[in-house]
Amino acid sequence: DVQLVESGGGLVKPGGSLRLSCAASGFDLSDLSMGWVRQAPGKGLEWVSSISPTSSHKYYEDSLKGRFTVSRDNAKNSLYLQLNGLRGDDTGVYFCGRENGGGRPTDLWGQGTLVIVSS
Amino acid sequence: QSALTQSASVAGSPGQSITISCTGSSNAAGGYKLDFDLVSWYQQHPGKAPKLMIYEVNKRPPGVSNRFSGSKSGNTASLTISGLRPDDEGHYYCSSFTSASTVLFGGGTELTVL
Repeated sequence: DVQLVESGGGLVKPGGSLRLSCAASGFDLSDLSMGWVRQAPGKGLEWVSSISPTSSHKYYEDSLKGRFTVSRDNAKNSLYLQLNGLRGDDTGVYFCGRENGGGRPTDLWGQGTLVIVSS
Repeated sequence: QSALTQSASVAGSPGQSITISCTGSSNAAGGYKLDFDLVSWYQQHPGKAPKLMIYEVNKRPPGVSNRFSGSKSGNTASLTISGLRPDDEGHYYCSSFTSASTVLFGGGTELTVL
């Protein structure tokens, strides 16, 4: 099956760090941009970051620059998001996605991993 | 406040058509420009991941019903759902590519099928 599976979420204290992973199966992600989108509880979707196929270009939502870092390992068919300096408003479900097409629409989504930032 | 504005909610009866609009400000937050030729629409059911319904304004991914169609006029993109069905109920989000090569989502519209 073609799918994305996130992992690495959990409960973390303010100021803490987490590394989210996204494993792809059923397709080779090395030719595609990949990205992360998050959703706070009861709120809408918020784009977080995208990374080009060879990691040459990385893009971030302005307010997250410097705290979040996106990376990928094409040999492992995986995508990652390092979250540092976590704050309460970073709480939410983090989805990874395959970007495919002009404007990078996300045509395949993972099920999401929940990050809770609380003391 | 998102630079892509969607109405909070819309409702329709089974079999009817509804249209959800997505209006962009002339500049997104940070001064980036929105590219309304690269608008996408997503459907999300409660507790589920979003699903891509429309990309590049009016293109449907494989497997998406032709009851879903997209269009744009100026700085407003629209998603029309015809022949409403109960399982169309959920939230719908527009997104636009920006001049900074980032992506911006609208605030979302909740569709209720009466």
